[in-house]
Amino acid sequence: GAVVSQHPSWVICKSGTSVKIECRSLDFQATTMFWYRQFPKQSLMLMATSNEGSKATYEQGVEKDKFLINHASLTLSTLTVTSAHPEDSSFYICSAGWTGGDGYTFGSGTRLTVV
Amino acid sequence: KQEVTQIPAALSVPEGENLVLNCSFTDSAIYNLQWFRQDPGKGLTSLLLIQSSQREQTSGRLNASLDKSSGRSTLYIAASQPGDSATYLCAAYTGGFKTIFGAGTRLFVKA
Repeated sequence: GAVVSQHPSWVICKSGTSVKIECRSLDFQATTMFWYRQFPKQSLMLMATSNEGSKATYEQGVEKDKFLINHASLTLSTLTVTSAHPEDSSFYICSAGWTGGDGYTFGSGTRLTVV
Repeated sequence: KQEVTQIPAALSVPEGENLVLNCSFTDSAIYNLQWFRQDPGKGLTSLLLIQSSQREQTSGRLNASLDKSSGRSTLYIAASQPGDSATYLCAAYTGGFKTIFGAGTRLFVKA
């Protein structure tokens, strides 16, 4: 149980375009989802926290207008990288938690390359 | 503010060697600590999760310990194999579903 599916696993896009990454909880309702970013040889850094039906809370230094997060249902959260640039190339990963649970489950991650 | 540090940053060992990866955290008020494996260009694979009330967890050749009072966790890998080569991350769950990751230890096991 507690499976989180993240799609796509990798994507290459042209500079200036937007990319959407989906994170789905397959067998539980995710009241809270988290989005992380990892640069090469660095740790995962929390970008934002989203609760179903409300606006996401962004960590300091993360541009909310560039990284749009939507958590419209208890099983789906999306991260859209708008007007992507090469410096946005990174590994993005989501995790999901549930009310009453004592843990969280991670998606498999998305490798974004902007050319 | 919770900070998680992993030592060493990189490690190269011959096949068959037993090894220890270290993880330290600054705030002992954690709910649990988790060890992950990350292969190059891939996502995270959960290896072991230790609840704050536990001292250790074992899975196959892996053993993870937790000492909250000293802010330390170790991952012990017995009889290392080339297939163990990966980056190992530890992560402290601090409540509110916030997870703080260490920078990882890059392990290379030579055949």
